[in-house]
Amino acid sequence: GQNIDQPTEMTATEGAIVQINCTYQTSGFNGLFWYQQHAGEAPTFLSYNVLDGLEEKGRFSSFLSRSKGYSYLLLKELQMKDSASYLCAPMDSNYQLIWGAGTKLIIKP
Amino acid sequence: GAVVSQHPSWVICKSGTSVKIECRSLDFQATTMFWYRQFPKQSLMLMATSNEGSKATYEQGVEKDKFLINHASLTLSTLTVTSAHPEDSSFYICSARGTREPYEQYFGPGTRLTVT
Repeated sequence: GQNIDQPTEMTATEGAIVQINCTYQTSGFNGLFWYQQHAGEAPTFLSYNVLDGLEEKGRFSSFLSRSKGYSYLLLKELQMKDSASYLCAPMDSNYQLIWGAGTKLIIKP
Repeated sequence: GAVVSQHPSWVICKSGTSVKIECRSLDFQATTMFWYRQFPKQSLMLMATSNEGSKATYEQGVEKDKFLINHASLTLSTLTVTSAHPEDSSFYICSARGTREPYEQYFGPGTRLTVT
């Protein structure tokens, strides 16, 4: 079956760094997306990985290990506005995104 | 970047009535659109995949006669919630799939439906 595993909730301090881990199992694999979703809003695209390694994009970086079925999202210099849910979504062989429950990130001053 | 609009952004209706939600891709043609539902503090739940010019593919457990989907053009898909009940109250989000790899999904802003 297809499965996504992320921590339900994480707390971090403003200005700090946080890493959100994701393990997945899918039928085929066509890359992995990370989305950010603020409460009451639709998800917005953060990053995409299809090859192993680290993709850096400003304060956000995403890492992928296909052999381990593992990815993480790294957020640096945390700001209060980063408080949101972060969704790890691998894409299966049919180019369908598989959604987990996401990780709710709480930033404290 | 690709923009997807959704209308209305929120709607309140009486039990037993029908509500139509529109999803439009504004600056690209989307052969495939997706409809999701999300209850508070829960994950996105895919309801159906909508392909232009053909019948939608519904996920298991989603009643196709209750949630009517029409994808009549390359830029418009509609979801009609028929005979709405309070338990249909939810946040409905559409997305449109990009036409080139990595086939990213672009999300609309969502529609909050409240059935009284």
